[in-house]
Amino acid sequence: LAKTTQPISMDSYEGQEVNITCSHNNIATNDYITWYQQFPSQGPRFIIQGYKTKVTNEVASLFIPADRKSSTLSLPRVSLSDTAVYYCLVGDIGGNFNKFYFGSGTKLNVKP
Amino acid sequence: EAQVTQNPRYLITVTGKKLTVTCSQNMNHEYMSWYRQDPGLGLRQIYYSMNVEVTDKGDVPEGYKVSRKEKRNFPLILESPSPNQTSLYFCASRDRTISDTQYFGPGTRLTVL
Repeated sequence: LAKTTQPISMDSYEGQEVNITCSHNNIATNDYITWYQQFPSQGPRFIIQGYKTKVTNEVASLFIPADRKSSTLSLPRVSLSDTAVYYCLVGDIGGNFNKFYFGSGTKLNVKP
Repeated sequence: EAQVTQNPRYLITVTGKKLTVTCSQNMNHEYMSWYRQDPGLGLRQIYYSMNVEVTDKGDVPEGYKVSRKEKRNFPLILESPSPNQTSLYFCASRDRTISDTQYFGPGTRLTVL
């Protein structure tokens, strides 16, 4: 199970683009990268998932370089409601990936 | 509405008094899991279940039991709770049809005195 490393916290202001980077040096060939968002006292919520290059949905973009040893979650024009903890997970979703390591995540604080 | 429900949402109990936290999902997911969340330690997996009658340990299974007799239900059992099990607990079910996504319940805040 590839371990991930994220910054503990980040600050931003409303309207800015926020990029949160996750390091996963030991990522395996079949591993995917998944990001979750968690608001206080709520369960995590799936944001985005990808394998390589770039994935975009209505909420965020995920950038994965060719070596896949890191990934960057990009949140465009954040608002106060984006204040949350963001988790990066790595695992082989098509195989026997049944244990999940969320870690402590990155606490994003969006200021007015 | 597709959802994962947990009961109770809040519970205060005393050391040694057996308790069960229920978890139910209405999405027909095969995989379900329990997590605990503690300040500074993040979200840690307690047990998971691949399907009915199939369960396995996560990272922190000590002091917990689970059972999976039906697909929709995955209760968490604390036979003899201790204060170090005071935590916020989340149940989740997993959808692997399109992407690999976990859906989490609202959480159960447990205090063991």
